[in-house]
Amino acid sequence: GNSVTQMEGPVTLSEEAFLTINCTYTATGYPSLFWYVQYPGEGLQLLLKATKADDKGSNKGFEATYRKETTSFHLEKGSVQVSDSAVYFCALSFNYGQNFVFGPGTRLSVLP
Amino acid sequence: EAGVAQSPRYKIIEKRQSVAFWCNPISGHATLYWYQQILGQGPKLLIQFQNNGVVDDSQLPKDRFSAERLKGVDSTLKIQPAKLEDSAVYLCASSRILSNNEQFFGPGTRLTVL
Repeated sequence: GNSVTQMEGPVTLSEEAFLTINCTYTATGYPSLFWYVQYPGEGLQLLLKATKADDKGSNKGFEATYRKETTSFHLEKGSVQVSDSAVYFCALSFNYGQNFVFGPGTRLSVLP
Repeated sequence: EAGVAQSPRYKIIEKRQSVAFWCNPISGHATLYWYQQILGQGPKLLIQFQNNGVVDDSQLPKDRFSAERLKGVDSTLKIQPAKLEDSAVYLCASSRILSNNEQFFGPGTRLTVL
């Protein structure tokens, strides 16, 4: 079946450090890919998405590129802030919003 | 614009009891999702509605879980009878149409089964 794998957390970084959170997927076909974020005490919210190979999603300084050849969608940010501390979920879906599958989440802590 | 509303926020029950969760999606959103999020895991899709029709319920344990979305607006998720392993946060989300549009999540209901 379809699945999403993320790097295990927690990830702890100092402010202004470079961030990479790895995400790989297993799927039959070519899904759409998403990163959702859950800030402390809040609900999940969409961070960025990409719907086809080589697309790059970006938002709030975060970027991720849909790599079909490596079935990956790694999340990156050049300079993290304390306010980026949250849990990040990679997810995929098929058929225009159906069959959503989330990864286990990666907790990020950014220290001042 | 009001967000996705869920109630109750917390519920504690004993095993074999019944429980129901309510969700009111964002006005005008045709697609509604229910997820189960066990501590330390990502959300798992239980059921997806398009208006008042079921699009996907392949991961819903139908022997004990049921859900309905009468009139294509509010939705109720029920567990009867509950088991210890049902302890989780139950998330409701909605999106405008069946597409790759953003899902908007509610705050969730934290269920503890003793």
